[in-house]
Amino acid sequence: SQQGEEDPQALSIQEGENATMNCSYKTSINNLQWYRQNSGRGLVHLILIRSNEREKHSGRLRVTLDTSKKSSSLLITASRAADTASYFCAWGEYGNKLVFGAGTILRVKS
Amino acid sequence: EAGVAQSPRYKIIEKRQSVAFWCNPISGHATLYWYQQILGQGPKLLIQFQNNGVVDDSQLPKDRFSAERLKGVDSTLKIQPAKLEDSAVYLCASRLGPSTEAFFGQGTRLTVV
Repeated sequence: SQQGEEDPQALSIQEGENATMNCSYKTSINNLQWYRQNSGRGLVHLILIRSNEREKHSGRLRVTLDTSKKSSSLLITASRAADTASYFCAWGEYGNKLVFGAGTILRVKS
Repeated sequence: EAGVAQSPRYKIIEKRQSVAFWCNPISGHATLYWYQQILGQGPKLLIQFQNNGVVDDSQLPKDRFSAERLKGVDSTLKIQPAKLEDSAVYLCASRLGPSTEAFFGQGTRLTVV
């Protein structure tokens, strides 16, 4: 992709394990966001981290941002079957543009 | 608060026909986006409005796609004529400002046959 990458493309884990997804981008950003998408449904916002922040937590989610490496990671701890979904990072470029990565498909097996 | 409303939810058309999608953003959200999401891919930004003005339409295929946001509220996205490769989910999103989250509608699933 000319704009960024997410890896892995797909991840399969057992319930209770942690899941880590990575995102890289190529421009200067104002913030970076993570979204979840269940099959056939719209995107749901999970967490936003600003460019001057390095780490942020929300419940079982932990997001890190390294602007020097233009990368972010999303960690979901103690995963549940209900966490099965596609996860997308989206970076907020200046001018209010919001660009999405290719996504990671997470499957949590019970 | 009411979410982003989109209609229709599903549409099947033949190639070369025209189609229009409608979006009603969250009240007060000045920024509105239209995305195209092909199966298995991330959403691709087609056009971004700030109130009723276009901020970015660099990835909108302007020979067949058009969009407008009259009065800075509702928006319509039109495809004319449609091609097979336009089969995708079209997502509308709105946002209060650059440091806030975007809210998405449920999308319109378009199938071109």
